[in-house]
Amino acid sequence: EVQLVESGGGLVQPGGSLRLSCAASGFTFSSYWMHWVRQAPGKGLVWVSRINSDGSSTSYADSVKGRFTISRDNAKNTLYLQMNSLRAEDTAVYYCARARGSSGSYYFDYWGQGTLVTVSS
Amino acid sequence: SYELTQPPSVSVSPGQTARITCSGDALPKQYAYWYQQKPGQAPVLVIYKDSERPSGIPERFSGSSSGTTVTLTISGVQAEDEADYYCQSADSSGTIQVFGGGTKLTVL
Repeated sequence: EVQLVESGGGLVQPGGSLRLSCAASGFTFSSYWMHWVRQAPGKGLVWVSRINSDGSSTSYADSVKGRFTISRDNAKNTLYLQMNSLRAEDTAVYYCARARGSSGSYYFDYWGQGTLVTVSS
Repeated sequence: SYELTQPPSVSVSPGQTARITCSGDALPKQYAYWYQQKPGQAPVLVIYKDSERPSGIPERFSGSSSGTTVTLTISGVQAEDEADYYCQSADSSGTIQVFGGGTKLTVL
């Protein structure tokens, strides 16, 4: 059974940092591109970042570019999101998602349960 | 930046057909995908590649595409279908993924 379990969320002050983790199991993690998607309270889904299967290629939404870094450890079956210079508008539930597709057109067939990040003083 | 546009809400009575649209300039070039999200839960994929249905998704869910608009159709709506629905696609270059703003489906 495919499972994605996020962790690392919590309360952080503006300007602070946080690292999210997503532990994957039930599939060959190193074969899949992975993404982070976030959802502010009461708002819609927003794509954040993606990483290819071996970690050599990444992409970011403009809103987080230069502040967030996506990475992965295929030996540990774990995806990460390092979030620096956090702002109030980064407050959201962060989901990791497994991607299917190719040539830039991806969809998300499995999602984690999400981890809440709250940026507030 | 690229945007996908959905109506904020759609309401139907049980047994009727619900249609949720999603518009975007790159949709003629990029596949669209649809997700259902119920309160407090992670999204669930209900349609991929414009019109394909994943295993386990009821046949009443279908998708179609015409030009810059894609449509999610739910035939014979049931109370359990009440949820938020999001379309998702990529920009024309395939560099970024984008979600529509979401549509709240209310079953009257």
